[in-house]
Amino acid sequence: GQNIDQPTEMTATEGAIVQINCTYQTSGFNGLFWYQQHAGEAPTFLSYNVLDGLEEKGRFSSFLSRSKGYSYLLLKELQMKDSASYLCAVRDEDYQLIWGAGTKLIIKP
Amino acid sequence: IAGITQAPTSQILAAGRRMTLRCTQDMRHNAMYWYRQDLGLGLRLIHYSNTAGTTGKGEVPDGYSVSRANTDDFPLTLASAVPSQTSVYFCASSRQASGEQFFGPGTRLTVL
Repeated sequence: GQNIDQPTEMTATEGAIVQINCTYQTSGFNGLFWYQQHAGEAPTFLSYNVLDGLEEKGRFSSFLSRSKGYSYLLLKELQMKDSASYLCAVRDEDYQLIWGAGTKLIIKP
Repeated sequence: IAGITQAPTSQILAAGRRMTLRCTQDMRHNAMYWYRQDLGLGLRLIHYSNTAGTTGKGEVPDGYSVSRANTDDFPLTLASAVPSQTSVYFCASSRQASGEQFFGPGTRLTVL
């Protein structure tokens, strides 16, 4: 079966750095996405990785290791507005997105 | 209209009733999707359409139907609603089937 694993919840302090991990087992791999979803709102796109390595975009970075079936999202200089759920999704061999349940990130002052 | 709109925003529905959730995008995206999101579960794909005139089944299609008569609209119909269909429904679109997906604001549906 296809499976995406993420921690259910994480807590971090304003101004700090947090790493949210995602491991996957899917039928084929055609890219990995990270989305942010604030409570009661729609998911919004953060990053996309298809090759191994680190993609940096401002305070957010995303890393991929295809051989390990592993990705992480790194958030630096945390702000209160970063409190949200972070969703990992893998595009499988049929080009459909398989979604993890999301990691709820709580930022404390 | 800018992006994707969904209607209604929320709805309470009696079991057994028929309901259509509307989704419209103005980005001329080829691909469109319907997901449901339940607490503790990831987004689950109900149906998708890679281009106008074609549709496909996702992970959880039973009890739902879709049509794609044109590029902009992708309605989702529940023929006879059941309480297990209580969920938040998101419509999404992407330029191509392989692209980044943009989501509508969602419809919160409660079936009693």
